[in-house]
Amino acid sequence: QVQLVESGGGLVKPGGSLRLSCAASGFTFSDYYMSWIRQAPGKGLEWVSYISSSGSTIYYADSVKGRFTISRDNAKNSLYLQMNSLRAEDTAVYYCARETPTDYIDYWGQGTLVTVSS
Amino acid sequence: QSALTQPRSVSGSPGQSVTISCTGTSSDVGGYNYVSWYQQHPGKAPKLMIYDVSKRPSGVPDRFSGSKSGNTASLTISGLQAEDEADYYCCSYAGSYTLKVFGGGTKLTVL
Repeated sequence: QVQLVESGGGLVKPGGSLRLSCAASGFTFSDYYMSWIRQAPGKGLEWVSYISSSGSTIYYADSVKGRFTISRDNAKNSLYLQMNSLRAEDTAVYYCARETPTDYIDYWGQGTLVTVSS
Repeated sequence: QSALTQPRSVSGSPGQSVTISCTGTSSDVGGYNYVSWYQQHPGKAPKLMIYDVSKRPSGVPDRFSGSKSGNTASLTISGLQAEDEADYYCCSYAGSYTLKVFGGGTKLTVL
């Protein structure tokens, strides 16, 4: 069965950095586009970043452009999100998500909490 | 890109039907048949309920249905059950730059 397991969340000071990982299993990872979606406490869902199956095509939300970097290692079945220059408003649960050709998400991880606070 | 507009809350009694609207623009909801809906229970990850406006993944009850008219998509839940109480989010493809935009979410209360 499809599994997406995020890790790497935690407490970080404003201006700091954090790297999130997502371990995928139960499907051919290299065949799928992937995304990071986040949800601030008590708030709605926000798409953050998207990467094609090969890693050659990448998109970012304006709110994180220039600060976050998405990447993947198909040999390790893993997705990453490098987050730099973190701000309080980046505090959220970050979900790893599997994309489909018509841009809906069919599987989500359980999420990892990132808290940006001094 | 602004979030899609959903009502903050809706409610209904068991057995009744409710409809949740999701209003966007011609650049997202109105421009593509790529609207999806997700159910989220407290503390849980979202779950896909409807994709491509009106298609239902296997395992999702046929009580859940989706539709679209112009710039507004809708999720209808018929025969409400207690376990349907959750937050519901719509999402639309929004073109090759913005890519994807979510609604603000609707809290469904089963009375």
